[in-house]
Amino acid sequence: QSVLTQPPSVSAAPGQKVTISCSGSSSNIGNNYVYWYQQLPGTAPKLLIYENNKRLSGIPDRFSGSKSGTSATLGITGLQTGDEADYYCGTWDSSLSACVFGTGTKVTVL
Amino acid sequence: EVQLVESGGGLVQPGGSLRLSCAASGFTLSGFWMHWVRQDPGKGLVWVSRINPDGGSTTYADAVKGRFTISRDDAKNTLFLQMNSLRADDTAVYYCTRSLFGASDFWGQGTLVTVSS
Repeated sequence: QSVLTQPPSVSAAPGQKVTISCSGSSSNIGNNYVYWYQQLPGTAPKLLIYENNKRLSGIPDRFSGSKSGTSATLGITGLQTGDEADYYCGTWDSSLSACVFGTGTKVTVL
Repeated sequence: EVQLVESGGGLVQPGGSLRLSCAASGFTLSGFWMHWVRQDPGKGLVWVSRINPDGGSTTYADAVKGRFTISRDDAKNTLFLQMNSLRADDTAVYYCTRSLFGASDFWGQGTLVTVSS
């Protein structure tokens, strides 16, 4: 149902790096800013990245965002057990005139 | 400290109504776009509605258009979501969020709405 597609899950060992992709179209990612949210178990989502690649104050530089064409990527380096969470991308869809979220990706630290 | 506290959720029968409230503190509601986002238990995030800083412009997801109404009371610094003609697929945790740089930078703790007979 979501117009933004993410992999259901990614995993890596502590200290390693993971990347999460977010695929959309010209009506959303292609012409609008992308945002990334982290949702720890049992809590409300938290904004990590805004305007494609800017970290919100207090977010460690282990988290990074990028965008190319109609896709965006969240990178997490130096993976920690506390990073285990669901991650969502989000943007505005100009055709739908609506905010849209990705399908969500569960990050597991092995 | 910025805080958003939702209330008003609960169990309602199909076809019924509920009014959610979101009390804001630590900032002035009238300076920001505000949103409602919902999440089915165990599932992803779904945007519901937004209202602009002066309350003069509102936008809705197609799934709730004509049934839900977003509003704000700046004197009480509170955001509302009036939900009518509720359906089983409206069952979710509802979050209110503040928008900064186009993103939701602060979220409430959420309030659970269950539509069931």
